[in-house]
Amino acid sequence: KNQVEQSPQSLIILEGKNCTLQCNYTVSPFSNLRWYKQDTGRGPVSLTIMTFSENTKSNGRYTATLDADTKQSSLHITASQLSDSASYICVVRRGSGYALNFGKGTSLLVTP
Amino acid sequence: DSGVTQTPKHLITATGQRVTLRCSPRSGDLSVYWYQQSLDQGLQFLIQYYNGEERAKGNILERFSAQQFPDLHSELNLSSLELGDSALYFCASSVERTGQETQYFGPGTRLLVL
Repeated sequence: KNQVEQSPQSLIILEGKNCTLQCNYTVSPFSNLRWYKQDTGRGPVSLTIMTFSENTKSNGRYTATLDADTKQSSLHITASQLSDSASYICVVRRGSGYALNFGKGTSLLVTP
Repeated sequence: DSGVTQTPKHLITATGQRVTLRCSPRSGDLSVYWYQQSLDQGLQFLIQYYNGEERAKGNILERFSAQQFPDLHSELNLSSLELGDSALYFCASSVERTGQETQYFGPGTRLLVL
């Protein structure tokens, strides 16, 4: 079973609307959690990285939250734009080693 | 543009063949990571090199091997190819070797095994 589960699998929203993507993980011990944006056919680009002590981190219209107690993270996109259409991947790093656990991503489509 | 380059962009080959994928990291980055991304599996970490030495191994098959050269570019060799090896192969680079730092991904090589 994948230790990082993302929901929804896909999402369609209208331009200008907000949306929230979810990431639940069972990875332990927790080191950090990253959100990546991956445009179709291109490599992922890091949006945010959060450690255990951080609850919220913003990057422009992207705001990530982390609840280490419930092992949940969310990525909130405000005032969506057509260019936000992409796959959003949650990645959790375990412990001090190199074990990276990838979610399968949420595919977001922003329509005019 | 992340500064990481990968060649070739696309590769079509037959089962049983061997191919080599090439990656040049960002200037100054010592770590190189290889990932495989297939439609149903998502991103899978394969292997990491730091300054020419293997640092970490993930889900890399024995038919696959990699190396990092003195000029820090890296090659991923895939042999005895199977249909299931068809995927996007990404290379990423970073300055440090710990995995905590931000990785910068290349554009990927799309491999199709027929």
